[in-house]
Amino acid sequence: GNSVTQMEGPVTLSEEAFLTINCTYTATGYPSLFWYVQYPGEGLQLLLKATKADDKGSNKGFEATYRKETTSFHLEKGSVQVSDSAVYFCALIIQGAQKLVFGQGTRLTINP
Amino acid sequence: EAQVTQNPRYLITVTGKKLTVTCSQNMNHEYMSWYRQDPGLGLRQIYYSMNVEVTDKGDVPEGYKVSRKEKRNFPLILESPSPNQTSLYFCASSLVGTGFGYTFGSGTRLTVV
Repeated sequence: GNSVTQMEGPVTLSEEAFLTINCTYTATGYPSLFWYVQYPGEGLQLLLKATKADDKGSNKGFEATYRKETTSFHLEKGSVQVSDSAVYFCALIIQGAQKLVFGQGTRLTINP
Repeated sequence: EAQVTQNPRYLITVTGKKLTVTCSQNMNHEYMSWYRQDPGLGLRQIYYSMNVEVTDKGDVPEGYKVSRKEKRNFPLILESPSPNQTSLYFCASSLVGTGFGYTFGSGTRLTVV
């Protein structure tokens, strides 16, 4: 089946630290990959996406590269801020389907 | 502003009292879906709709109903709510196609006592 596995949280970092949140996937087809962010008390917002192998999605200083050979889509940011504290979800949609399949989410806390 | 609007944001109700959570989108999206979010279980799809009058079950449809009479609206109906339906609910919409991602509403926190 189709599934997404994220690194377990919670993750706590200091401001300006480098961030990596690992995400790997299993897919029967050829997926599009997404990162969503959920700030406290809010809905999920699309952070970035990639639709084919070697594509790099980027937004707000975050980046993730679609790696087909390792079935991964790791989220990175060079220098995190307190305002980046949120829950991050990796997700996929299989070509020909419409359902968004989510990972479990990783809670990130940035301390000043 | 392009958005998905859910109402209410918070709801406390009693077991067995029918309720409806409304969802409306202004982006002319064909696809709409309901998810519930629970600690330790992540986000699970309840129902989805590919277009008007076309709905289908997701992973956890038991105890829920939906309808899609108009393109913009996709209400979630709990005919006889039970405490195990206490959860955070999200409505989402998208264009059909795998590259678009979803736009989510702000969520409805439901408590059934």
